[in-house]
Amino acid sequence: KNEVEQSPQNLTAQEGEFITINCSYSVGISALHWLQQHPGGGIVSLFMLSSGKKKHGRLIATINIQEKHSSLHITASHPRDSAVYICAVRVSGAQKLVFGQGTRLTINP
Amino acid sequence: DAGITQSPRHKVTETGTPVTLRCHQTENHRYMYWYRQDPGHGLRLIHYSYGVKDTDKGEVSDGYSVSRSKTEDFLLTLESATSSQTSVYFCAISESGPMSEQFFGPGTRLTVL
Repeated sequence: KNEVEQSPQNLTAQEGEFITINCSYSVGISALHWLQQHPGGGIVSLFMLSSGKKKHGRLIATINIQEKHSSLHITASHPRDSAVYICAVRVSGAQKLVFGQGTRLTINP
Repeated sequence: DAGITQSPRHKVTETGTPVTLRCHQTENHRYMYWYRQDPGHGLRLIHYSYGVKDTDKGEVSDGYSVSRSKTEDFLLTLESATSSQTSVYFCAISESGPMSEQFFGPGTRLTVL
């Protein structure tokens, strides 16, 4: 079993819909990252959080440390949000990140 | 955008040949990482560096070596490439390790025939 599990693996929605991508992990962590990988392959860091909630534009990331769960929400989704979204955790005491397999999001106009 | 470049961006080589990939940064970040990305797997850490001449292994380090003689450059070498090393390789940097944001390079697509 992977230490970091994302769901769903694939998600297709219509423009304007509210999107939720989930990340669950089975280890103790000190931080969680959300990344976006564009269709062209480039990877961009969206958020790094260790508690609570962060918001940037239409993107919101939340984390519940006790439940070992994080969500990434996209409000008013747009076709340009189509990408693979990757969750990664820093395992407590470790110097590296462990990555989920990603969620492929497609937003249709 | 963080100043990270990778070279080459694409390479096709034959089994048994040595290959070196270069990651160059202009941000003066202390940490540098090499990952590989394969279908069905998330990004997996090959090696990382926490300073000049300071490196450590990741989860998939077999068959790979690294060197960092300058802050700005982190080299990944496949001593004798195998077909299982066909992958997309990403370099990343961060200012202070996994507790800080990571910035990724554009990736290198390597094909080993």
